[in-house]
Amino acid sequence: EAQVTQNPRYLITVTGKKLTVTCSQNMNHEYMSWYRQDPGLGLRQIYYSMNVEVTDKGDVPEGYKVSRKEKRNFPLILESPSPNQTSLYFCASYAPRGLTEAFFGQGTRLTVV
Amino acid sequence: AQSVAQPEDQVNVAEGNPLTVKCTYSVSGNPYLFWYVQYPNRGLQFLLKYITGDNLVKGSYGFEAEFNKSQTSFHLKKPSALVSDSALYFCAVRDTDAGNNRKLIWGLGTSLAVNP
Repeated sequence: EAQVTQNPRYLITVTGKKLTVTCSQNMNHEYMSWYRQDPGLGLRQIYYSMNVEVTDKGDVPEGYKVSRKEKRNFPLILESPSPNQTSLYFCASYAPRGLTEAFFGQGTRLTVV
Repeated sequence: AQSVAQPEDQVNVAEGNPLTVKCTYSVSGNPYLFWYVQYPNRGLQFLLKYITGDNLVKGSYGFEAEFNKSQTSFHLKKPSALVSDSALYFCAVRDTDAGNNRKLIWGLGTSLAVNP
C-alpha cells in the first residue's frame, strides 16, 4: 500500500529539548515536503527536498532543519523547540514529473511547553 | 504571483442538498489543480485533480469539480451532501515553473458542515 508514515503522532516536549519527527514514504517519490498547519493560516511549507541530498527552505524554515540521506526518509529536526512551534505537522511526497497527487502522512501534533 | 483563494471559511448545507466549495487561482502558466479533504485528526486525502482535458473532473466519494479557465476557478461540487462529508477542504495548484520548486500552493481551507 502506498503511504507516507510519520512518527510520532503526538508529542509533548519542553522548550529547548531537541526532537526529531520522522517521515518515510514507500513510493520512490523524488519530492518530499514538510508543512505546518495552524488555525486560520492553512498549510505553510517549512522545507522541501527535490531528491536525495537536495533540500531547500520553504516559507517558514526558521527553527527547523531537515536532511535527505535516503530517498524514502525526510526527518524534521527541531534543535531547540519553542512554544511558537506548537502546531500540527504534515509530511508529504509526490513525483513532480508525473503530475501525480501528493500523499500525506497522518500528521504529528506537537506541543512545546 | 501564484495564489489560491478559497473565499469561504465555512460552508453549511443540509443533508441531501447539493454543495459547492469555491476555489479561484492565479498562475502564470497552465494550472494543475487539486482538491484534498481533511477529516478530524487525519492527514489530507486526495479527492481529485485537473491536469488537462475535460473541464468536469470526477473524483472520490461522489465529488466532482469544474474547471473554468475564463473565471480561473475550480469549484468542488457534490449533487447530494452527506453528514459524513463534513470536513475541511483544501484547494491547491501546482506551480509548473521549475524555478518555483514545483511546489503546491494551498488555499486556506473551507470547513464544510453538513447538517442532518
